[in-house]
Amino acid sequence: SQKIEQNSEALNIQEGKTATLTCNYTNYSPAYLQWYRQDPGRGPVFLLLIRENEKEKRKERLKVTFDTTLKQSLFHITASQPADSATYLCALRNTGNQFYFGTGTSLTVIP
Amino acid sequence: EPEVTQTPSHQVTQMGQEVILRCVPISNHLYFYWYRQILGQKVEFLVSFYNNEISEKSEIFDDQFSVERPDGSNFTLKIRSTKLEDSAMYFCASGSTVSSTDTQYFGPGTRLTVL
Repeated sequence: SQKIEQNSEALNIQEGKTATLTCNYTNYSPAYLQWYRQDPGRGPVFLLLIRENEKEKRKERLKVTFDTTLKQSLFHITASQPADSATYLCALRNTGNQFYFGTGTSLTVIP
Repeated sequence: EPEVTQTPSHQVTQMGQEVILRCVPISNHLYFYWYRQILGQKVEFLVSFYNNEISEKSEIFDDQFSVERPDGSNFTLKIRSTKLEDSAMYFCASGSTVSSTDTQYFGPGTRLTVL
């Protein structure tokens, strides 16, 4: 069956450290993978997109990697801040125009 | 900055009633989506819409659901006869292309409570 799994439901890290979130998928062949941030009671907000032929993408303190052999994407937030505390979702677009989301990882950055 | 808007923010209805959730996508966008998120669960794709027709729909999007773009600006989701399990947050999203250079912009959501 098709699955998108994100690492442990909750991740707590100290301010200033690097947070690393994992997204693993099975039985998909995504054209690309996206990462979103979701705050409680709000809609997801797009952060980064990485295509199947790209290994790494960066945007300010954010970095995403994509390994289609391992079927895994890693999402890094460097120099983390309390304002980075949120739930982070990975989503992939398979063939067609359907998007599939993971369950999300709740990140708490402790001051 | 342009944004997707949704109304109402919260809708309470009785089981079996029809509800219409409304969305105003970003004005120059061409692709429109509805998602739902049951409390504490993942965001689930319902339907995508392009060129005035459904382009993809999930298994969740059964005959009880329909979408419309009645006037070139609004994008609506209708649930014909609501069930208790339809209680969820419903998000509308829009995008200008399906290419890998663009993405979806989500609205703030409508919380639907079915009693």
